[in-house]
Amino acid sequence: QITLEETGPTLVKPTQTLTLTCTFSGFSLSSPGAGVGWIRQPPGKALEWLARIYWPDDKRYNPSLESRLSIMKDTSKNQVVLTMTNMDPVDTATYFCAHRPETTDDYDYWGQGILVTVSS
Amino acid sequence: QSALTQPRSVSGSPGQSVTISCTGTSSDVGGYNYVSWYQQHPGKAPKLMIYHVNTRPSGVPDRFFGSKSGNTASLTIAGLQAEDEADYYCCSYAGSYLRVFGTGTEVTVL
Repeated sequence: QITLEETGPTLVKPTQTLTLTCTFSGFSLSSPGAGVGWIRQPPGKALEWLARIYWPDDKRYNPSLESRLSIMKDTSKNQVVLTMTNMDPVDTATYFCAHRPETTDDYDYWGQGILVTVSS
Repeated sequence: QSALTQPRSVSGSPGQSVTISCTGTSSDVGGYNYVSWYQQHPGKAPKLMIYHVNTRPSGVPDRFFGSKSGNTASLTIAGLQAEDEADYYCCSYAGSYLRVFGTGTEVTVL
């Protein structure tokens, strides 16, 4: 059974750096083909793909946010960490992490999401 | 990398069919057979319904059908049921291992 859970601050101030952790079980990022992605959704708006990390350590970022994003994995802890610098109120959103299966580059299991509000 | 264009809403009566379009460019939808569709109920995480244009993951009813022509992909829901009322998002590979989502469509069952 694959599960994922996002943790981190639910309130950050403008210009601060956001650090979110995705803790997962049921798969390992040391297995060929395994991957985790981050997707966000502002309240009442559409999904936006942010970044992903695949075995062994292949990282990709949304070009419009690449300068602000960093994704890392800790295989021993079954965690993926996403950092986003210089947070702005427009970054207020629910942030999801999700599992990428071997058969497709899409996401078949998702965490419940964490709502992050950017406000002073 | 612009969001794919979907109609804001579609609706149908129980038992009817509805089709949601997803329009991109030759750099995403038109360039690859890697279009997927997600269903999202209010307050919930998205659920993968279709991948690789027309492949259903295990457990997804065969009432959901994906297709593509040129730069436009489509999701058809046949035999509409009350539980199908949700938001639907398309997603496409956009080259360089990147993904782009659509603007989202609200499906209403009348």
